[in-house]
Amino acid sequence: QQQVKQSPQSLIVQKGGISIINCAYENTAFDYFPWYQQFPGKGPALLIAIRPDVSEKKEGRFTISFNKSAKQFSLHIMDSQPGDSATYFCAALSRGGTSYGKLTFGQGTILTVHP
Amino acid sequence: NAGVTQTPKFRVLKTGQSMTLLCAQDMNHEYMYWYRQDPGMGLRLIHYSVGEGTTAKGEVPDGYNVSRLKKQNFLLGLESAAPSQTSVYFCASSYSPDRPEAFFGQGTRLTVV
Repeated sequence: QQQVKQSPQSLIVQKGGISIINCAYENTAFDYFPWYQQFPGKGPALLIAIRPDVSEKKEGRFTISFNKSAKQFSLHIMDSQPGDSATYFCAALSRGGTSYGKLTFGQGTILTVHP
Repeated sequence: NAGVTQTPKFRVLKTGQSMTLLCAQDMNHEYMYWYRQDPGMGLRLIHYSVGEGTTAKGEVPDGYNVSRLKKQNFLLGLESAAPSQTSVYFCASSYSPDRPEAFFGQGTRLTVV
């Protein structure tokens, strides 16, 4: 019962294009939504994160868009580069009830950026 | 500053054997997590801990046990390994929900034959 659903599973983009990855959640106790980037053979590392009191957060070429009413959030990578090729995970942190502190991840998206 | 260190990095087990994976963090983090990563399944939470002496079940806890006797260490045990537990295991830690960035270890690749 995946509480955070991520799509697409894989994505191929040309250099300079826009990469878009989407996530949806159900648990209203989630109130922190990070994105992690993972390179082969490494552990995931925090890329960017958002709290539900804002609808958008931008850091360089990376932007999170958040729709609280739809329980959806997405990652946009502008001007995608070959070095962005990695696996991306969305996640959600619960700060309510019996799941306090629980950090749940989506299924991951393998992004390939062609030169 | 080592961050999050997992031991061992690789291991091959025979079905029915037991083992313990060790996660150590030197950042004084309260929260620690164990995940397994399988192709197409993402990172699935096995167990987590919100403080020394406390543990809680995640999404896929069956076949695993954990202990958090010291704040800096989080142990994951497999009492009787099964081929379905072949996976890459990641440990992560974070300071608190107010400083929720999670830091991950390098992973442990476990094969059960």
